[in-house]
Amino acid sequence: EVQLVESGGGLVQPGGSLRLSCAASGFSFSDAWLNWVRQAPGKGLEWVGRFKSISDGGTRDYAAPVKGRFTISRDDSKNMLYLQMNGLKTEDTAVYYCTTGTKTWGLDNWGQGTLVTVSS
Amino acid sequence: SYDLTQSLSVSVALGQTARISCGGNNIGNKNVHWYQQKPGQAPVLVIYRDTNRPSGIPERFSGSNSGNAATLTISRAQAGDEGDYYCQVWDSSTAVFGGGTKVTVL
Repeated sequence: EVQLVESGGGLVQPGGSLRLSCAASGFSFSDAWLNWVRQAPGKGLEWVGRFKSISDGGTRDYAAPVKGRFTISRDDSKNMLYLQMNGLKTEDTAVYYCTTGTKTWGLDNWGQGTLVTVSS
Repeated sequence: SYDLTQSLSVSVALGQTARISCGGNNIGNKNVHWYQQKPGQAPVLVIYRDTNRPSGIPERFSGSNSGNAATLTISRAQAGDEGDYYCQVWDSSTAVFGGGTKVTVL
């Protein structure tokens, strides 16, 4: 059974930093393309970024609102995905989901999400 | 950037058919994926690559995609189908979601 478990959310002041983690199990992690998707309270889904598998080039792509502030990394030896968030803004307040998925197969597995609140 | 347009809400009588549209420029040339999200839960993929159902998704869910619109169809709607539905495509190397459609089963 595929499991994705996010952690690391919490309350942070504007301008601060936070690192989210996603622990994965139940599939071949090193072969997976991994994404972060967020959802502001009462709003729709917003893609944050993606990390391709190393065998597919290991490239990272980001949504425009977070580019230059957020960094996605992965540790295939630990089956872990990370999201380092710097320069946080109030508009970054959201539930952050870790997902697997590609262009062809869609975002096929989701974690339960972790809430990040950016407020003074 | 690429935009996807969804109607805000759709209502369907119990047992009838709901159709949820997703509009985008030449969206028929892209792979469209659909997600269902129930209150307080993570989204679930219900249709991938326009017409395909993941394992465990009922046959009542189907999809189509042509021209400037993709459609998710829910046949024989049940109370448990209520929730928000999102379409999604990839535009180059970025994922784009529609704004979501709230489905109410009457």
